[in-house]
Amino acid sequence: SQTIHQWPATLVQPVGSPLSLECTVEGTSNPNLYWYRQAAGRGLQLLFYSVGIGQISSEVPQNLSASRPQDRQFILSSKKLLLSDSGFYLCAWSPDRRSTYGYTFGSGTRLTVV
Amino acid sequence: ELKVEQNPLFLSMQEGKNYTIYCNYSTTSDRLYWYRQDPGKSLESLFVLLSNGAVKQEGRLMASLDTKARLSTLHITAAVHDLSATYFCAVLPTSGTYKYIFGTGTRLKVLA
Repeated sequence: SQTIHQWPATLVQPVGSPLSLECTVEGTSNPNLYWYRQAAGRGLQLLFYSVGIGQISSEVPQNLSASRPQDRQFILSSKKLLLSDSGFYLCAWSPDRRSTYGYTFGSGTRLTVV
Repeated sequence: ELKVEQNPLFLSMQEGKNYTIYCNYSTTSDRLYWYRQDPGKSLESLFVLLSNGAVKQEGRLMASLDTKARLSTLHITAAVHDLSATYFCAVLPTSGTYKYIFGTGTRLKVLA
């Protein structure tokens, strides 16, 4: 069966520090991968998605970047964090565009920038 | 602009009561997904609706899809406290995009 792992679960970082969040999927190949951010009490904002190794689509101009160095690995990074980067970061995957199962989400990373 | 609107945004209801959450979307789509999010947790899949007229039921929740009206409903029957959560609908446009469009979410609180 397929599983998605996301870490760390919580992170407190000072303003101006770098960031690296990692997401991996097991039990499948060539998944579509997504990074979402959720501000406290708010909806989901799509940040990046990837349909293959090295293929990254960015949805909003921001302080963040994403990479997909391996088929089932998706990394969210920042060189210098801002206070506004605080939030709940969710990685998700789907087997294909029109998956009958929709997205499966990771457990999330709660980032607090201080 | 693609929009997915949920109503209501907040819902406080008594245990044992029935209520419906609405999800309206502005784009052409033939599939819609419902998710549940508990406070501080990630999203878990509830229902996948893949065609016009699709109806799915799980326990006290029933979801339906009307693609012609661009409307999905999530009906709660005889609510219990354990259903307290935030519910999101998400639409996959038929335009070829890989991106699901999520609704704003409905925060449900069931009072004992």
